[in-house]
Amino acid sequence: DTEVTQTPKHLVMGMTNKKSLKCEQHMGHRAMYWYKQKAKKPPELMFVYSYEKLSINESVPSRFSPECPNSSLLNLHLHALQPEDSALYLCASSQDIAETQYFGPGTRLLVL
Amino acid sequence: AQRVTQPEKLLSVFKGAPVELKCNYSYSGSPELFWYVQYSRQRLQLLLRHISRESIKGFTADLNKGETSFHLKKPFAQEEDSAMYYCALKSGSRLTFGEGTQLTVNP
Repeated sequence: DTEVTQTPKHLVMGMTNKKSLKCEQHMGHRAMYWYKQKAKKPPELMFVYSYEKLSINESVPSRFSPECPNSSLLNLHLHALQPEDSALYLCASSQDIAETQYFGPGTRLLVL
Repeated sequence: AQRVTQPEKLLSVFKGAPVELKCNYSYSGSPELFWYVQYSRQRLQLLLRHISRESIKGFTADLNKGETSFHLKKPFAQEEDSAMYYCALKSGSRLTFGEGTQLTVNP
């Protein structure tokens, strides 16, 4: 398995809902990342995990809560989101934080 | 602070014409630069990284430290090259992207 996978592909949620995004890789990568991408804009880094520990939080609001239960999985828990949080959420992984990052297909999130 | 600038939001060429997508960067250390491509409704894919000095799909990019540039070039554009291209600079675990250039190759 040489790809990063993300589920679900699409998600619609209300502002009071709680949902989770899931990212998985089986390439033995030890660094995983969450990015947010608005339409026609570049990806923006949100979180970095290295060896299952959070190493970077780019001042992301607490309504986004990342979790790395094991070296292959990365979750992003969502609670009380705002409509402006609607975006494509990308997961990436790399051998370690110094190596090239490879991206998943993303989850397209719409907050109503 | 590191910054990546892609001066052209849109670039349109005809099939068979040469194409150059510009990328300039500002970074105080030794840069590690990449080109990523995003085809319509597909994932962001790595196209090139400067350290490997390879040619992928006919594209090349040379790091010019004097001009702080990492322009992407292809001598003969193909219609299937139409996509969004992002130049990116890596510092530690942080990948900073430029705003992107939407390339359209017309038949």
